[in-house]
Amino acid sequence: NAGVTQTPKFRVLKTGQSMTLLCAQDMNHEYMYWYRQDPGMGLRLIHYSVGEGTTAKGEVPDGYNVSRLKKQNFLLGLESAAPSQTSVYFCASTVNGATEAFFGQGTRLTVV
Amino acid sequence: QKEVEQDPGPLSVPEGAIVSLNCTYSNSAFQYFMWYRQYSRKGPELLMYTYSSGNKEDGRFTAQVDKSSKYISLFIRDSQPSDSATYLCAMSGDNYGQNFVFGPGTRLSVLP
Repeated sequence: NAGVTQTPKFRVLKTGQSMTLLCAQDMNHEYMYWYRQDPGMGLRLIHYSVGEGTTAKGEVPDGYNVSRLKKQNFLLGLESAAPSQTSVYFCASTVNGATEAFFGQGTRLTVV
Repeated sequence: QKEVEQDPGPLSVPEGAIVSLNCTYSNSAFQYFMWYRQYSRKGPELLMYTYSSGNKEDGRFTAQVDKSSKYISLFIRDSQPSDSATYLCAMSGDNYGQNFVFGPGTRLSVLP
């Protein structure tokens, strides 16, 4: 029972490089989210999706793009990484958007 | 004023103590109230979930919601070293997932 799986777990990028974070869920959830977690800031929503083919901006979307081509996958892209994007990124999914959110194990990203 | 306030701690208690964790919020539209537990270098996992006001008990854990005061609490009885983690409160207002709002988390250490 995998739940929510994030790839990769760790990454170091140089400023200006690009990368894609992959989130996969096997629970047939409609809603998926990308958060970043920084010390003292809690979880902040970057982008979210309410179903296959849909995406929307969250609280801190600048510098990130997302795609949800398949229901089970939600991709987060950084086109030109900046040191301010150093963070721990979590993907989550829920059945209906209001109840239990299942989280992945996180991706630790460092931009130097 | 932040939408959800939570004392970041850290909070250190001896094993067996009763722990009280609290959050205050400003948005009266919140209807769903959750507590997540996050171990170091792991993703958050749902601990307690409450709809609207009232109490909910699950083993050693009790969640309380006072909507009139915009205040929620999590009580841990007979605390154990395995309860050492960061506890995040979370709230949402309706079926739209973007309304999940997380507190910054309280770091708890239970000392043997």
